Amino acid sequence: KNEVEQSPQNLTAQEGEFITINCSYSVGISALHWLQQHPGGGIVSLFMLSSGKKKHGRLIATINIQEKHSSLHITASHPRDSAVYICAVSGGTSYDKVIFGPGTSLSVIP
Amino acid sequence: DGGITQSPKYLFRKEGQNVTLSCEQNLNHDAMYWYRQDPGQGLRLIYYSQIVNDFQKGDIAEGYSVSREKKESFPLTVTSAQKNPTAFYLCASSTGGGSNQPQHFGDGTRLSIL
Repeated sequence: KNEVEQSPQNLTAQEGEFITINCSYSVGISALHWLQQHPGGGIVSLFMLSSGKKKHGRLIATINIQEKHSSLHITASHPRDSAVYICAVSGGTSYDKVIFGPGTSLSVIP
Repeated sequence: DGGITQSPKYLFRKEGQNVTLSCEQNLNHDAMYWYRQDPGQGLRLIYYSQIVNDFQKGDIAEGYSVSREKKESFPLTVTSAQKNPTAFYLCASSTGGGSNQPQHFGDGTRLSIL
């Protein structure tokens, strides 16, 4: 069983739809990260969470530490949101303690 | 603009050949990382460096080598000992303080075997 799992693996949505991507983890963490990987391969950090909820534009990330679960929501989705979204968890002061999920591939159709 | 530059974008390796992937950052970050990405899998850590002249093996260091002679540069050499080098390689950097700091990524290098 992977330490960080994401669902769904692939997601196709119509433009304007509300999208939810889920991440569950089985290890103790200090922070959870959501990353976006563009079709060309470059990765951008979207959020870093240790509790509660964060919002940036149309993106909202939430985390439930007790349930070891996080969600990334995209409101009013747009074709430019098409990308792979990666959940990662980190364990604190040790530099090698970042575990990445396999990613969720999102395609938003006009 | 500050950022991380990886080169080349595409690289081809012949059997028995060593190749070096470049990673340069102008963010003044202390920590730098190399990851390997394979289809359907999460990023896996190859090597990381917390400060200049120091680096540590990650989970899949066999067949790879690195150096950190300058703060801004962290090149990765894929040696002939790496029998399955075809993958997408990502370099990242972060400020000090451990893995809880957000990492900044380059655009990656795609390595293939000829």
